Amino acid sequence: GAVVSQHPSWVICKSGTSVKIECRSLDFQATTMFWYRQFPKQSLMLMATSNEGSKATYEQGVEKDKFLINHASLTLSTLTVTSAHPEDSSFYICSAPARGDTQYFGPGTRLTVL
Amino acid sequence: DAKTTQPTSMDCAEGRAANLPCNHSTISGNEYVYWYRQIHSQGPQYIIHGLKNNETNEMASLIITEDRKSSTLILPHATLRDTAVYYCIVRPGGSGTYKYIFGTGTRLKVLA
Repeated sequence: GAVVSQHPSWVICKSGTSVKIECRSLDFQATTMFWYRQFPKQSLMLMATSNEGSKATYEQGVEKDKFLINHASLTLSTLTVTSAHPEDSSFYICSAPARGDTQYFGPGTRLTVL
Repeated sequence: DAKTTQPTSMDCAEGRAANLPCNHSTISGNEYVYWYRQIHSQGPQYIIHGLKNNETNEMASLIITEDRKSSTLILPHATLRDTAVYYCIVRPGGSGTYKYIFGTGTRLKVLA
């Protein structure tokens, strides 16, 4: 139990385009989900907290107009990278709390912007 | 900033126990210690967590010192598939959802 999925697992896009990444909790509901970014050989960096039915909370230094988060249901949060540039290329990971607030992570989405 | 410090890397022989230390000297009384691992190009995988008592599950054991300022994750019989980055995280207790702040973790390499 407590499975989190992400789609797509990888995506390549051209500079200037927007990319949407989905995060789903498959066997539990999550009013809160978290989005992280990870650059090669670095640790996970928390980007934002996604809240079902309300606005996301962004960490300091993360541009909310560039990284749009929508938490439309209790099992789905989406991260849209708008006007992507090569420096946005990274590994994006989501997580959701279940079973007494232990967080479970998705498999990640690798974004490459050309 | 992360509230934990871990060695950057460790090696362990296959079949031997891997002991991964974590320092969390500023931990508060109601904060839990969580351990995750991340295998290359995957999302972190939950391993174990504890408050003050030692814990054991099918994956590992967690030993927390009496003063709670440090802990050790033990993989009793390491295999090559245990090669990963291991993260120790401190998070508040009580009800509610709390964000995780990841430190640099320990890169464990299990050697054949």
